[in-house]
Amino acid sequence: DTGVSQNPRHKITKRGQNVTFRCDPISEHNRLYWYRQTLGQGPEFLTYFQNEAQLEKSRLLSDRFSAERPKGSFSTLEIQRTEQGDSAMYLCASSPPGGHSYNEQFFGPGTRLTVL
Amino acid sequence: AQSVSQHNHHVILSEAASLELGCNYSYGGTVNLFWYVQYPGQHLQLLLKYFSGDPLVKGIKGFEAEFIKSKFSFNLRKPSVQWSDTAEYFCAARYNQGGKLIFGQGTELSVKP
Repeated sequence: DTGVSQNPRHKITKRGQNVTFRCDPISEHNRLYWYRQTLGQGPEFLTYFQNEAQLEKSRLLSDRFSAERPKGSFSTLEIQRTEQGDSAMYLCASSPPGGHSYNEQFFGPGTRLTVL
Repeated sequence: AQSVSQHNHHVILSEAASLELGCNYSYGGTVNLFWYVQYPGQHLQLLLKYFSGDPLVKGIKGFEAEFIKSKFSFNLRKPSVQWSDTAEYFCAARYNQGGKLIFGQGTELSVKP
C-alpha cells in the first residue's frame, strides 16, 4: 500500500496521559498536514510541514500539542496531559512538491483517540 | 474569517434520484475548491477539484460541481445516485497555495435501494 499510513489506528488512554501518533506520508511528498475531526464535523486544520519546517499552526493547537517532522519524512503528533475534549479522529494528509496549485492532499485512515 | 458551509447535514434519496449538495465559501481572494467523500469505514478521497478555467468541473463516479463566483458557491451534483454513493461528503476550500484546507461540516448522504 503506497498511501498515507497512520499508527496506531486506535488509541484509548486515561485523562492526563501523554499520547503520540505517527504519520508516514506518500513517498516523496514534501508537505504533510495534521487535522482533527470530531463527530458530525468536518476536519479542522492543526498544523502543516513543508519538508522538516513547520509552516503553520492553528490557534486551536494548545501548548499541550506538539508536532515534529525531523527528517522531512514521517511526522509525529504528541498530546501531553490528555483531556476528554481531545477525543477525536486525528487525520494526516500529504501532498507532492512543486509549489503547484493543482496539488491535492491525500488523506490517511486516521488515528481515533478516546480519552477516558 | 475564512469558512465553508454546507447546507444539508443529512440527505436521504432513493436510487436514481438526482443529487445536489450545497456548499458556500467565504470571500478570501483566490480560492481553490474541493469535494471529498468518505465512504463508511474508509478514509477521505478526492471527488473533484476546481482551480481555474471552466467553472463546471467533472470528477470521479459521475459527480460534477459548478463554481459560481457571484454566489460564492460550489455545489456538488449527480444526475442519478446509486446505493453505493451512500457516504459523507465534505466541501473544502484552500485560500493559500499549498496550504491548509478549510472544510465544511459535511453532508451525510443515505441512498435507499
